[in-house]
Amino acid sequence: GNSVTQMEGPVTLSEEAFLTINCTYTATGYPSLFWYVQYPGEGLQLLLKATKADDKGSNKGFEATYRKETTSFHLEKGSVQVSDSAVYFCALSDREQAGTALIFGKGTTLSVSS
Amino acid sequence: DVKVTQSSRYLVKRTGEKVFLECVQDMDHENMFWYRQDPGLGLRLIYFSYDVKMKEKGDIPEGYSVSREKKERFSLILESASTNQTSMYLCASIPGLAGAHNEQFFGPGTRLTVL
Repeated sequence: GNSVTQMEGPVTLSEEAFLTINCTYTATGYPSLFWYVQYPGEGLQLLLKATKADDKGSNKGFEATYRKETTSFHLEKGSVQVSDSAVYFCALSDREQAGTALIFGKGTTLSVSS
Repeated sequence: DVKVTQSSRYLVKRTGEKVFLECVQDMDHENMFWYRQDPGLGLRLIYFSYDVKMKEKGDIPEGYSVSREKKERFSLILESASTNQTSMYLCASIPGLAGAHNEQFFGPGTRLTVL
């Protein structure tokens, strides 16, 4: 079945450091891929998405490229800020089963210090 | 501004109580979901609904039931709460039949503690 694996946390960085959070997936169809972010005390919100191979999603300085050949969707940011401290979830949806739930990775906690 | 609201942010209940968690969305979405979030386990799907009065089991439906009497409202019911149901519960919605690549909208979550 479909699954998502993302790197274990927590990830602790200093402000302005480079961030990478790895995400790989297993899917039988042609999934859409997402990164969601959960700030402390809040629900999840979409950070970025990519719906087909080689698409790059970007938002708020974060980027991720849909790599079909490596089945990956790694999240990157060139210079993190304290306000980026949150839990990040990689997720996929199966395009063959429209309307079904997302499949999430276990989440990676990012802590950025000044 | 689109919104998914949940009836409570924090809830404390006793073992054996019947618990209702309510979720309302104002986006006219067909599909609604209940997840639970636990440290180290990520989000796991409990139930979802793709239409009024329709429901489907997710990955961990045991001990839960749901109700969808109106399109905008999706309720999660813990028939007899147990301590292992202490968790964060998240509701989400997504539009229509072509929702696979659309954004899911999440509520703020309900942190339930069962004593």
